[in-house]
Amino acid sequence: AQRVTQPEKLLSVFKGAPVELKCNYSYSGSPELFWYVQYSRQRLQLLLRHISRESIKGFTADLNKGETSFHLKKPFAQEEDSAMYYCALKDYGQNFVFGPGTRLSVLP
Amino acid sequence: NAGVTQTPKFRVLKTGQSMTLLCAQDMNHEYMYWYRQDPGMGLRLIHYSVGEGTTAKGEVPDGYNVSRLKKQNFLLGLESAAPSQTSVYFCASSLTERQPQHFGDGTRLSIL
Repeated sequence: AQRVTQPEKLLSVFKGAPVELKCNYSYSGSPELFWYVQYSRQRLQLLLRHISRESIKGFTADLNKGETSFHLKKPFAQEEDSAMYYCALKDYGQNFVFGPGTRLSVLP
Repeated sequence: NAGVTQTPKFRVLKTGQSMTLLCAQDMNHEYMYWYRQDPGMGLRLIHYSVGEGTTAKGEVPDGYNVSRLKKQNFLLGLESAAPSQTSVYFCASSLTERQPQHFGDGTRLSIL
């Protein structure tokens, strides 16, 4: 069965520091990977997806099939980046599997 | 511009009671999903629907039933609530399977 792991429950960095939120997955096929974000008192929303190969709010994520990872990175963290981040995998069907989430706290 | 609306927002039930959670979307989306979120486990897919009149099981369907009689509504039912179903329930919808999911605010359900 497919799984998504996010090893860090909480990640704290200082403003301006680089940040990397880790995501690893297990899936035998070719998955679609996503990062969702939930800011305080807001709904869960899509941040980015690997097939788009885009940078959203300065965040990027590269799918590494060899390491089965989809880490989320930003070179210079901002205080407004503080939120809960979820990595998610969509399998060949309609099943979405979410990781347990990482709470990012950007300190001033 | 409501997007995805879930009702109720909170509910406390006794073991064995039944209830229905309503999810409504005004975006004409085909796909709708019900998830539950438990501490340390992320979101787990309960059931989903790829269109009006169709439903399918997700990762954790046992103890739940769903119906999609109208395209805009996706109902999640608990026939006989159990304490293990205490959770936060999220509904989501998407235009197609490849489009982003739009989430509701969630329903916090406690089973005593």
